[in-house]
Amino acid sequence: QSVLTQPPSVSAAPGQKVTISCSGSTSNIGDNFVFWYQQVPGTAPKLLIFDNNRRPSGIPDRFSGSKSGTSATLGITGLQAGDEADYYCGSWDSSLSAGVFGGGTKLTVL
Amino acid sequence: QVHLVESGGGVVHPGRSLRLSCAASGFPFSSYGMNWVRQAPGKGLEWLALISYDGKIRYYGDSAKGRFIISRDNANNTVSLQMNSLRNEDTAIYYCAKRRGTGMIDSWGQGVLVTVSP
Repeated sequence: QSVLTQPPSVSAAPGQKVTISCSGSTSNIGDNFVFWYQQVPGTAPKLLIFDNNRRPSGIPDRFSGSKSGTSATLGITGLQAGDEADYYCGSWDSSLSAGVFGGGTKLTVL
Repeated sequence: QVHLVESGGGVVHPGRSLRLSCAASGFPFSSYGMNWVRQAPGKGLEWLALISYDGKIRYYGDSAKGRFIISRDNANNTVSLQMNSLRNEDTAIYYCAKRRGTGMIDSWGQGVLVTVSP
């Protein structure tokens, strides 16, 4: 059971938009930054979003992040076949003094 | 750019120990906290441990408490994970990862496979 809650899977057609939710609590998402990672099977995770809504250089603006209270959302527009991957949210938990991740969401581009 | 390279993985019998290392380059290593994260086959990411930039503060996840020890050598830009009393369920890919500020991870190594098997 992960501390952060994500839907197991989402899907959408190429060119469409998809959102992935991440639900936590005050001690993690509520009080700390949210990070999002993309992991193509067989490879290491890659940072997509940091500090709730900031993109590292090289990440296209099709990817966006937002946070409200104890929940966060990753948005992906203009879906491409190459976006098929597992997506994880992560945050620091001030009560646990530990890093926490969501269980991951598998994105399928139909 | 940030470069993290793990080493030390392999096959080990249950109850034995293994030490993973991570060589860091491309950033001021002694200024950043460092993490270890693992991923069991077909499973999600599991955070294991964090060590502060100066090595004075260490935090552990439940799976690592009492069995794993994180350490760092700022003179040689390395971070290590000493894993003791290994169990079958410790079989996973282990990632070394750089912390961003007081938050989570902004850079990952390529990972190293640890297999615990009789």
